[in-house]
Amino acid sequence: AQTVTQSQPEMSVQEAETVTLSCTYDTSESDYYLFWYKQPPSRQMILVIRQEAYKQQNATENRFSVNFQKAAKSFSLKISDSQLGDAAMYFCAYRSPRQLTFGKGTKLSVIP
Amino acid sequence: DTGVSQDPRHKITKRGQNVTFRCDPISEHNRLYWYRQTLGQGPEFLTYFQNEAQLEKSRLLSDRFSAERPKGSFSTLEIQRTEQGDSAMYLCASSFRDRSYEQYFGPGTRLTVT
Repeated sequence: AQTVTQSQPEMSVQEAETVTLSCTYDTSESDYYLFWYKQPPSRQMILVIRQEAYKQQNATENRFSVNFQKAAKSFSLKISDSQLGDAAMYFCAYRSPRQLTFGKGTKLSVIP
Repeated sequence: DTGVSQDPRHKITKRGQNVTFRCDPISEHNRLYWYRQTLGQGPEFLTYFQNEAQLEKSRLLSDRFSAERPKGSFSTLEIQRTEQGDSAMYLCASSFRDRSYEQYFGPGTRLTVT
């Protein structure tokens, strides 16, 4: 079974600075998807960024980018120019054919 | 497109009672998923529908839990004889077959069993 590990329960960042959230996973598959989801307080989960395992190029979405290291099974999220609205729980997720397996999450605080 | 909706948003029930939650997916999405999220944890997969067929169930889905999607549109999740351990956020997500990697989540139903 696939497992997803987020080793940082909480992180904080100064507004306008850069922060990196870590994620490692375990799988025996060669083709899969990885995701970062954001869950603001009392609001629904939204997809931040997606990475296909067969793509060597790291995905980017505006201020969000990933560092995907397939051999190391590592998938970190970098948030640049952090904004107050980035404060949320961030979940790393691995996609099996029919379900998502999530990590326990990292709570990100943004300091004005 | 109004997104995935769930009803009710909050439910408080006494132990032993039955509860039912509803999920309305995005209209053109044929895949629907249920997850459970307890405090301090990430969501855990419960079950998955493609149209009206329930194709996969997690071992977390005990025999007290049942999910349906009778016409391939909305879905219901029923918990019978609720226990305090059932207290959690129940999340619904949907996706379109050709983009099944992208799941859109609803706001969730928070269940509290007293």
